[in-house]
Amino acid sequence: DSGVTQTPKHLITATGQRVTLRCSPRSGDLSVYWYQQSLDQGLQFLIQYYNGEERAKGNILERFSAQQFPDLHSELNLSSLELGDSALYFCASNQGNDETQYFGPGTRLLVL
Amino acid sequence: GENVEQHPSTLSVQEGDSAVIKCTYSDSASNYFPWYKQELGKRPQLIIDIRSNVGEKKDQRIAVTLNKTAKHFSLHITETQPEDSAVYFCAASDPTSGTYKYIFGTGTRLKVLA
Repeated sequence: DSGVTQTPKHLITATGQRVTLRCSPRSGDLSVYWYQQSLDQGLQFLIQYYNGEERAKGNILERFSAQQFPDLHSELNLSSLELGDSALYFCASNQGNDETQYFGPGTRLLVL
Repeated sequence: GENVEQHPSTLSVQEGDSAVIKCTYSDSASNYFPWYKQELGKRPQLIIDIRSNVGEKKDQRIAVTLNKTAKHFSLHITETQPEDSAVYFCAASDPTSGTYKYIFGTGTRLKVLA
């Protein structure tokens, strides 16, 4: 157990819908990173937050947004869902430096 | 931006043999290189990491080597066991603007044949 939690574990929804994925970082970690992993693909960096502020953006679609709250948990919002958004979504956390990132168990999203 | 290339994409070895996975990175400013193991449907788990001021690091059957001049690093697994079968990802930290986000390689599917 990495100490990073994610909910829900599984999510099934329809095209055009909107979902919210939640991540709670390890105790003491200030930074949250979101990654997308499509079937049999690598991990694509989406976005990073540090202590409530956006720090870096990767290949994140405009339909996707995220935020980090004062208690440091983070939410990834995915809207106008398409079939191709089906993937595993992981968050990871660390203290916002070049220390190890610890991954949560992921949320498996299936868009039908 | 940083780019990480990983080879091979698949690797099959006999139990007890060694396995080597290689990665090349593009940004000479990268200074932290972790390796993650991911079993099917599970989270990536750190198995070993190395910093740019170190050339080699070992942890039991696993070792990582780093060649800063050539900008490549490798994972070595000796005496492979069936439970080593998984997908392995290398990554390089991208220190641009203080973000330290990871750029991952495309993964290597390792199969250890009993």
